[in-house]
Amino acid sequence: GDSVTQMEGPVTLSEEAFLTINCTYTATGYPSLFWYVQYPGEGLQLLLKATKADDKGSNKGFEATYRKETTSFHLEKGSVQVSDSAVYFCALINAGGTSYGKLTFGQGTILTVHP
Amino acid sequence: EAGVAQSPRYKIIEKRQSVAFWCNPISGHATLYWYQQILGQGPKLLIQFQNNGVVDDSQLPKDRFSAERLKGVDSTLKIQPAKLEDSAVYLCASSYVAGVRTGELFFGEGSRLTVL
Repeated sequence: GDSVTQMEGPVTLSEEAFLTINCTYTATGYPSLFWYVQYPGEGLQLLLKATKADDKGSNKGFEATYRKETTSFHLEKGSVQVSDSAVYFCALINAGGTSYGKLTFGQGTILTVHP
Repeated sequence: EAGVAQSPRYKIIEKRQSVAFWCNPISGHATLYWYQQILGQGPKLLIQFQNNGVVDDSQLPKDRFSAERLKGVDSTLKIQPAKLEDSAVYLCASSYVAGVRTGELFFGEGSRLTVL
């Protein structure tokens, strides 16, 4: 079945550091890929998405590129802020498999940014 | 626009007791989801409704879990009897019909269950 694997966490950075959170996936067909974020005390919210190979999703300074050849969707930000501290989830929806319409999540990566 | 509302936020019960969680989705959202998030893991879909019909309940432990969505709006998730391994955060999410394809779900803050 479909699956998403995120880098082992947590990640601790100083403000203005460069961020990469790795995400790889296994899926049949043509999945759409997502990053969701959960800030402390809040619900999960969509951060960015990409629906086909080579698409780049971006939002709030975060970027991720859909790489079909490496089955990856790594999240990056050039300069993190304390307010970026949150849990980040990589996810996919597979329009080509039996899990159509079901988001499959990775295990999440906790990011802590210190001043 | 009001978000997805869930209650209670926290619940502590002993094993073999029962518990119910309530969810009110965003107005106009036809699709409603219940996810289980165990500590250190990503959310796992338990059940998906389209209006008041079940689309996917393949991962719902039907011997102890049940869910309903009367009139295609609010939903209730029940666990009876609870086991220790049911300790988790139960997330409710909703989306427009198109959200099923776009993957844009709107999540509530979750209900945290602790089973002792």
